[in-house]
Amino acid sequence: DAGVIQSPRHEVTEMGQEVTLRCKPISGHNSLFWYRQTMMRGLELLIYFNNNVPIDDSGMPEDRFSAKMPNASFSTLKIQPSEPRDSAVYFCASSLAPGTGEDEQFFGPGTRLTVL
Amino acid sequence: AQTVTQSQPEMSVQEAETVTLSCTYDTSESDYYLFWYKQPPSRQMILVIRQEAYKQQNATENRFSVNFQKAAKSFSLKISDSQLGDAAMYFCAYRSARGAQKLVFGQGTRLTINP
Repeated sequence: DAGVIQSPRHEVTEMGQEVTLRCKPISGHNSLFWYRQTMMRGLELLIYFNNNVPIDDSGMPEDRFSAKMPNASFSTLKIQPSEPRDSAVYFCASSLAPGTGEDEQFFGPGTRLTVL
Repeated sequence: AQTVTQSQPEMSVQEAETVTLSCTYDTSESDYYLFWYKQPPSRQMILVIRQEAYKQQNATENRFSVNFQKAAKSFSLKISDSQLGDAAMYFCAYRSARGAQKLVFGQGTRLTINP
């Protein structure tokens, strides 16, 4: 199994530009999570999906952030327009449905975003 | 809301020795899961060990074991026979067993292994 795949691994952009981060979950996983890691705030959940449906987006910081999951094998996190304070590592994670007993979250390698 | 606290920003241990990382949490729920994740310099988040709150027996995975004290809301990680490859950031995390699936993380502890 290839694990959770994220692209790009690194992204450097200028303030005001649109940024799109991509994630492919592990095949067969029903839940997908987007986390952000910063020095100031640590690791925090932005949004998660169950069966492609957004369940909890209370962690999305502002309307500049949006996430989609058009199918079971692909999700995007978009920032438009980007700001320097969005600089962080963005992780995607996936898991089986809750209650299956094997529902640990497996993380992708992360995307390091730098907004100049 | 649940919170997780790791009071040790940094720890160090001699290779082959034992080290314990501390974690406390706050919740009003009775059914939940606790995890320790390892983040090496590669940045990859790796699950080390998992504990179900309803289980009294402490979880063990090879050289890694936990001391789960539910009443005290404490969940420490013990690493035995420390190896150079154990050097990493370690994060304690909480997840509800019902409802919200999100992981709530502590601030992390940076573990250094001295050869």
